[in-house]
Amino acid sequence: DAGVTQSPTHLIKTRGQQVTLRCSPKSGHDTVSWYQQALGQGPQFIFQYYEEEERQRGNFPDRFSGHQFPNYSSELNVNALLLGDSALYLCASSLQGRIYEQYFGPGTRLTVT
Amino acid sequence: AQTVTQSQPEMSVQEAETVTLSCTYDTSENNYYLFWYKQPPSRQMILVIRQEAYKQQNATENRFSVNFQKAAKSFSLKISDSQLGDTAMYFCAFMKPPNFGNEKLTFGTGTRLTIIP
Repeated sequence: DAGVTQSPTHLIKTRGQQVTLRCSPKSGHDTVSWYQQALGQGPQFIFQYYEEEERQRGNFPDRFSGHQFPNYSSELNVNALLLGDSALYLCASSLQGRIYEQYFGPGTRLTVT
Repeated sequence: AQTVTQSQPEMSVQEAETVTLSCTYDTSENNYYLFWYKQPPSRQMILVIRQEAYKQQNATENRFSVNFQKAAKSFSLKISDSQLGDTAMYFCAFMKPPNFGNEKLTFGTGTRLTIIP
């Protein structure tokens, strides 16, 4: 049973560019949440997707957007990258009804230069 | 808004000893979930233990146990017989009870735990 997978593992982008990160949830899970973890900090909630819709959103600008596909996989898009967007981006999957059991992927390390 | 505070940025302990990590939180909710997550150098966030606020009994998972003091809004993690593999960042986290719009984790800033051989 595959756990949560994320791609790519590492990514280097230039300021102003756009980036797309991908997440495949644990088998059977239907809900995907995205978190941003800056260096030396705890993860911060970005948004959550269920039934292909954004269900809730944290305090992040509109440059951060996402999508969920019918197979429950998800993408995180960030436009107009800033140096401050450099972070580890974590994806967590869960099942509606057991939302308190969130399984995390290994993350994507994004570096903006 | 909920806040989670971990006042110990770093801790170290000899292998086989017991260590306690502290966490306090602030909320006006009566029911909620509290978690301890472990993040080793591999970066993958792993759930260590979960506590439901409505349960008075402290949660335990093998060598890991919590001391949940609801009135004091305190949630500490005790690791017994510590092992080298316990070396990691430990995050305390809070979640409101499941309801539309509630299902997000709020994390503290973490405690870096080093187990010394």
